[in-house]
Amino acid sequence: KAGVTQTPRYLIKTRGQQVTLSCSPISGHRSVSWYQQTPGQGLQFLFEYFSETQRNKGNFPGRFSGRQFSNSRSEMNVSTLELGDSALYLCASSPTGTGGNYGYTFGSGTRLTVV
Amino acid sequence: AQTVTQSQPEMSVQEAETVTLSCTYDTSESNYYLFWYKQPPSRQMILVIRQEAYKQQNATENRFSVNFQKAAKSFSLKISDSQLGDTAMYFCAFETLMEYGNKLVFGAGTILRVKS
Repeated sequence: KAGVTQTPRYLIKTRGQQVTLSCSPISGHRSVSWYQQTPGQGLQFLFEYFSETQRNKGNFPGRFSGRQFSNSRSEMNVSTLELGDSALYLCASSPTGTGGNYGYTFGSGTRLTVV
Repeated sequence: AQTVTQSQPEMSVQEAETVTLSCTYDTSESNYYLFWYKQPPSRQMILVIRQEAYKQQNATENRFSVNFQKAAKSFSLKISDSQLGDTAMYFCAFETLMEYGNKLVFGAGTILRVKS
């Protein structure tokens, strides 16, 4: 059974540019969550999508957005990149949006560096 | 707001010995889930163990077990017979209920180094 796939693994962008990250969940999982991991702030929740609808959003500026497609694949977009957006971006999938039964399954992340 | 505190930034243990990682959390909810995740240098977060708050019995997964004290809001992880492959960052996480769907609140993590 394939795991959660995130692409690309590494990305280097310039301040002011925009970037799109991709996450393919485990087959059959309808929920995809995104987290930002930085040394200073740790792991912080960005947003969660379920059946193409954003259900929850963390405390991030509007430059961070996302979407989910009918096949449950999700993309995350960051516009007008700032140096502080440099981070590891992790996505996690679950069948229903709760980790209660099986936990969330994470991908290996996309390491974004803004220069 | 729910918070998760891991008071040990780093820990070391000799191979084959036992180590306990601490975690406390704060919540007003009565029913929730708690998790320990491990993040090796490969970056992928791997689920180690999960605990349902309404179950008094402590969860166990092979060499990994938890000591769940609901009243004290404590959720420590015990690793027995430590192996070199256990070297990783360990995160304690609390699943908080939101209006639609849930999210994880993570602690700051504990770096565990297993020495040969």
